[in-house]
Amino acid sequence: TQLLEQSPQFLSIQEGENLTVYCNSSSVFSSLQWYRQEPGEGPVLLVTVVTGGEVKKLKRLTFQFGDARKDSSLHITAAQPGDTGLYLCAGEHGTSYGKLTFGQGTILTVHP
Amino acid sequence: DTGVSQNPRHKITKRGQNVTFRCDPISEHNRLYWYRQTLGQGPEFLTYFQNEAQLEKSRLLSDRFSAERPKGSFSTLEIQRTEQGDSAMYLCASSFGPEAFFGQGTRLTVV
Repeated sequence: TQLLEQSPQFLSIQEGENLTVYCNSSSVFSSLQWYRQEPGEGPVLLVTVVTGGEVKKLKRLTFQFGDARKDSSLHITAAQPGDTGLYLCAGEHGTSYGKLTFGQGTILTVHP
Repeated sequence: DTGVSQNPRHKITKRGQNVTFRCDPISEHNRLYWYRQTLGQGPEFLTYFQNEAQLEKSRLLSDRFSAERPKGSFSTLEIQRTEQGDSAMYLCASSFGPEAFFGQGTRLTVV
């Protein structure tokens, strides 16, 4: 079983603070995706990273894929209450036809 | 096309009853996946279709579970003789390339 460990599991911060969520594995992934999920809804894709060392930015969100393609991070600058939600990382192995292995998620709460 | 559509959004059923969920993927997507998510956990893979062929099934998918995608378009997931442990969010996703897009899910509660 290829596991993805996400940390921290819970994060409660004030508006304006910065934060980083980590996603680690002992397995190499061909790609890694980050999703955001709100209660009672399905995950919404934020970004896909495929190249080791790749960095992608989406407004205040910065995603990085580790050089060895075993880990990733999500950094949010100047968090806002609208960023509140469950953040999930999910890795795909090259031979798994797009099957994703998910981390357990990070519940982020941003207080105004 | 507005994305992956799942029906119903919520289902409450008594233990022992059968339930069926439907997923309509994004129209040009040939891959379709079912996942299950319990509270506080990330989604877990259940099964995968490429067009109409079911190519992989997780060990999580007991013989009470069956999935079909008869014409390579929509898919159904049936659970027979439901148990309380089946209570979860059932998510469908579709893809054509490396990115998977999820539906809003069906929340199943077995009482």
